[in-house]
Amino acid sequence: NAGVTQTPKFQVLKTGQSMTLQCAQDMNHEYMSWYRQDPGMGLRLIHYSVGAGITDQGEVPNGYNVSRSTTEDFPLRLLSAAPSQTSVYFCASSYTQGARETQYFGPGTRLLVL
Amino acid sequence: GQQVMQIPQYQHVQEGEDFTTYCNSSTTLSNIQWYKQRPGGHPVFLIQLVKSGEVKKQKRLTFQFGEAKKNSSLHITATQTTDVGTYFCANSYDKVIFGPGTSLSVIP
Repeated sequence: NAGVTQTPKFQVLKTGQSMTLQCAQDMNHEYMSWYRQDPGMGLRLIHYSVGAGITDQGEVPNGYNVSRSTTEDFPLRLLSAAPSQTSVYFCASSYTQGARETQYFGPGTRLLVL
Repeated sequence: GQQVMQIPQYQHVQEGEDFTTYCNSSTTLSNIQWYKQRPGGHPVFLIQLVKSGEVKKQKRLTFQFGEAKKNSSLHITATQTTDVGTYFCANSYDKVIFGPGTSLSVIP
């Protein structure tokens, strides 16, 4: 198993550009989520999904969209990047019962918005 | 909401000293999860506590869940340089919300 994979590892964007951060897991996990991590702020939940076709907002959803068309994939879209979205983004997944199970994290995507 | 707070934000210890981080909530928590993130790495699950007053040990690490299920602690005995990193507590119910973390530095 590859676990949770994220692409790209690094990305530089200009303000206003759009992009999609990819997240995939091969563990048949139902629960998937996206976090951003900023210095001194810990991990803040952006969006999460309890299964294919179901998504919900977390603590800081503004400026981000998600969809969950398959169990394996949970992409995060930035429609119009802003410097405030410079951060490290982590995707995580867990089994059914979702949030109450061990969260497995991907290696992260480091995003710089100029 | 499900917010959890952690103290201290930073802790610098001499190798061999003990270390404790505390996680607090104003509301009763269904459970507490603890994670460790090494510098430049991603969070890795350590343990989950569910029962009131629960205590679990992993080698030099001791985890406690308060009787009222509003606080938790992680204690490391005789720190080593391999303990360096940020320790997060998290509350999980329908979603997982993390505390801000405690960053541990160990001076050899």
